[in-house]
Amino acid sequence: SQQGEEDPQALSIQEGENATMNCSYKTSINNLQWYRQNSGRGLVHLILIRSNEREKHSGRLRVTLDTSKKSSSLLITASRAADTASYFCATVITDSWGKLQFGAGTQVVVTP
Amino acid sequence: EAQVTQNPRYLITVTGKKLTVTCSQNMNHEYMSWYRQDPGLGLRQIYYSMNVEVTDKGDVPEGYKVSRKEKRNFPLILESPSPNQTSLYFCASSLLVQGDSPLHFGNGTRLTVT
Repeated sequence: SQQGEEDPQALSIQEGENATMNCSYKTSINNLQWYRQNSGRGLVHLILIRSNEREKHSGRLRVTLDTSKKSSSLLITASRAADTASYFCATVITDSWGKLQFGAGTQVVVTP
Repeated sequence: EAQVTQNPRYLITVTGKKLTVTCSQNMNHEYMSWYRQDPGLGLRQIYYSMNVEVTDKGDVPEGYKVSRKEKRNFPLILESPSPNQTSLYFCASSLLVQGDSPLHFGNGTRLTVT
C-alpha cells in the first residue's frame, strides 16, 4: 500500500488564486519531499522538510509538516498558468534509508 | 549540464524479449533508483542502489534486474518482459544515500510490451 496519499486528486483554479494540497502518510518518517511533474516528464524537486521542522518556504511555495497528524501541506501562492502540473509528496521512512515512497499525486490546473 | 539521462525514451517490444533501459548520471551521485509510474498509482520504487555493487529491492522488484558496476550507470533489465510491465519508467539519482537530498530525475522511458 502507498505510504503517502495526496488530497485532493485534482484541483482547478484561476491565475492569482492560491492552491493548497495535502499529503497524509502512515508511518514515522525522516523527511518529506514535494515534487512537481509536467505532463509525463521527469519529476522536479520542490522542497524537502525534515521531521523536526514544521514549516518551510521557497519563493511562492510554503510547506508545513505535522508529524503528530502524519500530514503535510503544500501551498502555492498567487498561482500562474505555468504551475499547471501534478504534485507529489514523497517520504523517507524512518530506518528505511534509500526507500523513497511517493503518493499518487494531485493534478493542478491553473487557468489564465 | 548536470543531468540524468535515460535511453530510450520510447520502446515497444514483445512479450519475452529481453531489454535493457540505460540510465546515466554525470553528478557523481552515490544514490540511484528506478521507479515505474502507472495511472492512479503514482511512482513505485523498483530497485535502488546506495553505491557501486550495492543494490536493494524497492516495492515492486519482481520481473526486473539492475546492476551498479560503475557509479554513473544504473541499467534496468527486463529479462522476460510481460504486458503488465507496460509503464512509464524513471531513473533518479541523489547526492546522499540517506534520502536527505533531493532526487534528480531523468525524462522517462515509456515502455509498451505487447
